[in-house]
Amino acid sequence: GESVGLHLPTLSVQEGDNSIINCAYSNSASDYFIWYKQESGKGPQFIIDIRSNMDKRQGQRVTVLLNKTVKHLSLQIAATQPGDSAVYFCAEKRAGNTGKLIFGQGTTLQVKP
Amino acid sequence: GAGVSQSPSNKVTEKGKDVELRCDPISGHTALYWYRQRLGQGLEFLIYFQGNSAPDKSGLPSDRFSAERTGESVSTLTIQRTQQEDSAVYLCASSLGPGNQPQHFGDGTRLSIL
Repeated sequence: GESVGLHLPTLSVQEGDNSIINCAYSNSASDYFIWYKQESGKGPQFIIDIRSNMDKRQGQRVTVLLNKTVKHLSLQIAATQPGDSAVYFCAEKRAGNTGKLIFGQGTTLQVKP
Repeated sequence: GAGVSQSPSNKVTEKGKDVELRCDPISGHTALYWYRQRLGQGLEFLIYFQGNSAPDKSGLPSDRFSAERTGESVSTLTIQRTQQEDSAVYLCASSLGPGNQPQHFGDGTRLSIL
């Protein structure tokens, strides 16, 4: 079935370390990918997106890497802070689709002080 | 407001009742989406509206679910004859346009069916 998968359900890191959250996607026809952060009781918050014609994009303290050869997406967070603790979702959009996003199950990031 | 607004934030109802959930998108956003999120899960697409085009209803799980949108403003998601498996958080998102645009989410309506 349709799915975007995450390699690890929970990631625990020390404050100040870099975090890497991984995601595998199944459809090579996907043309758009996006990362969200979701805190308890809140809606997903947009972090960063990337189109399939790119392999890297940087934001403030975050970098998204796209490897289309192995259908892999990752989110790197530099100097992780306690406020980064949340569930992180990757999502993909299939080319030609109307905007429907297909979400993974989420990775919980725990930042230890 | 600046973001997507959803109401009510929480809704508890008895099995078999109808419920109506409301979404106010970000002003100027032409695309609007509804998703469902079960506890501890990712989001499942339900329906998508873009301008005056026919909505993409491919994610609606049954004919008990329907949604409407008036122009490029408010949308309502209606669930008729609610069942316990309908318990979830219902999230609305909007984006500037169709295609490869980030979707911005509201905080959802937490629906509990007794």
